[in-house]
Amino acid sequence: GAVVSQHPSRVICKSGTSVKIECRSLDFQATTMFWYRQFPKQSLMLMATSNEGSKATYEQGVEKDKFLINHASLTLSTLTVTSAHPEDSSFYICSARGAPGGGGAGELFFGEGSRLTVL
Amino acid sequence: AQSVTQPDIHITVSEGASLELRCNYSYGATPYLFWYVQSPGQGLQLLLKYFSGDTLVQGIKGFEAEFKRSQSSFNLRKPSVHWSDAAEYFCAVGAGQAGTALIFGKGTTLSVSS
Repeated sequence: GAVVSQHPSRVICKSGTSVKIECRSLDFQATTMFWYRQFPKQSLMLMATSNEGSKATYEQGVEKDKFLINHASLTLSTLTVTSAHPEDSSFYICSARGAPGGGGAGELFFGEGSRLTVL
Repeated sequence: AQSVTQPDIHITVSEGASLELRCNYSYGATPYLFWYVQSPGQGLQLLLKYFSGDTLVQGIKGFEAEFKRSQSSFNLRKPSVHWSDAAEYFCAVGAGQAGTALIFGKGTTLSVSS
């Protein structure tokens, strides 16, 4: 089946540094990718919708300058947490939706998640 | 407003007993419904989904769910729970269009007692 891969799975960084998380669709083209954030023992909150070749759409309350999203190709979206602070520590999960008519058409697949810890 | 409600925050079931996890949704369009399971520190695994057709859907690991439009519900069931089923379960709803994200419920933590 279709697979979405995230990297890194875990990252620890110092406060003030930037961290990049990659989300790749391995065997299908993903026209749209979504980034979620999950706090401990809570649900997944949608942060932004990333469309290939265009700017991401951010949910209300999400700082676009802090969480930079780039979707440069049909198989790769990146989330960069800029000037990270301890309150940014969280579990970030990406999901990818296949292009209609292509492999994984329309279905939503989730990455394994990336746990960010900011010291 | 679009929303998903999972009324039970935490459920404990004896191993071998049956399980039902509740999910109610509010969605303006025809809903696409999903159940995901998440083990601690892991990503999400799709258990089953409902797009259309037969309202009783079968999923992996012996799970099933029934879509009841009149009740706006999509409850997850399993006839006999195994200790390995202990995890967090999320119900989600979305539209069929490729550009729409899923809305998740707050999740239900399942504990299995021996």
